Amino acid sequence: GQNIDQPTEMTATEGAIVQINCTYQTSGFNGLFWYQQHAGEAPTFLSYNVLDGLEEKGRFSSFLSRSKGYSYLLLKELQMKDSASYLCAGPRNNKFYFGSGTKLNVKP
Amino acid sequence: DVKVTQSSRYLVKRTGEKVFLECVQDMDHENMFWYRQDPGLGLRLIYFSYDVKMKEKGDIPEGYSVSREKKERFSLILESASTNQTSMYLCASSPGHPQGGSYNSPLHFGNGTRLTVT
Repeated sequence: GQNIDQPTEMTATEGAIVQINCTYQTSGFNGLFWYQQHAGEAPTFLSYNVLDGLEEKGRFSSFLSRSKGYSYLLLKELQMKDSASYLCAGPRNNKFYFGSGTKLNVKP
Repeated sequence: DVKVTQSSRYLVKRTGEKVFLECVQDMDHENMFWYRQDPGLGLRLIYFSYDVKMKEKGDIPEGYSVSREKKERFSLILESASTNQTSMYLCASSPGHPQGGSYNSPLHFGNGTRLTVT
């Protein structure tokens, strides 16, 4: 595999900010994707970083450092509906490699 | 919006049966993928295809085969189902051809087929 690591589970409070980290082997990917997956549903695309730096999309931002093999997804103003799993994925050699996902629990 | 449709949401099959999982996409995407998703293991790639009649093994192809006779359809076949193939199966598609060996467009997933082999 490509040794993509994410925390298994996180808990945060409604209205707060949470950062979900993803680390991977630096010899790997040409960019990094983030997906959201609600329980029992298909993953849906959230963001893609091809260059280093921060990409902002409304309440969600994603950061990439290719030299460090590190990415994070930042969720602001958390809402209950943000309770889901968040998957990072890297493309390499005509494939996508996924992390195991981080289950985010948002509590009132 | 891209629509990726998997023929069954839930399936229950017996050990030794031949199982067909069907996936159809309506956006003329070149690339199609089959993953299985298991708790703690994430998504693991079984097979993928970047063109009609083309197929490539993913990371866990053993016990599976695929068929892509038409661009919009990618079928996953379990030749002889076993209990360790009980899982959630996800089909996905993406447009374009890899640039420098890498995709720069996201995957679009179907809703998944939860297969139980008893």
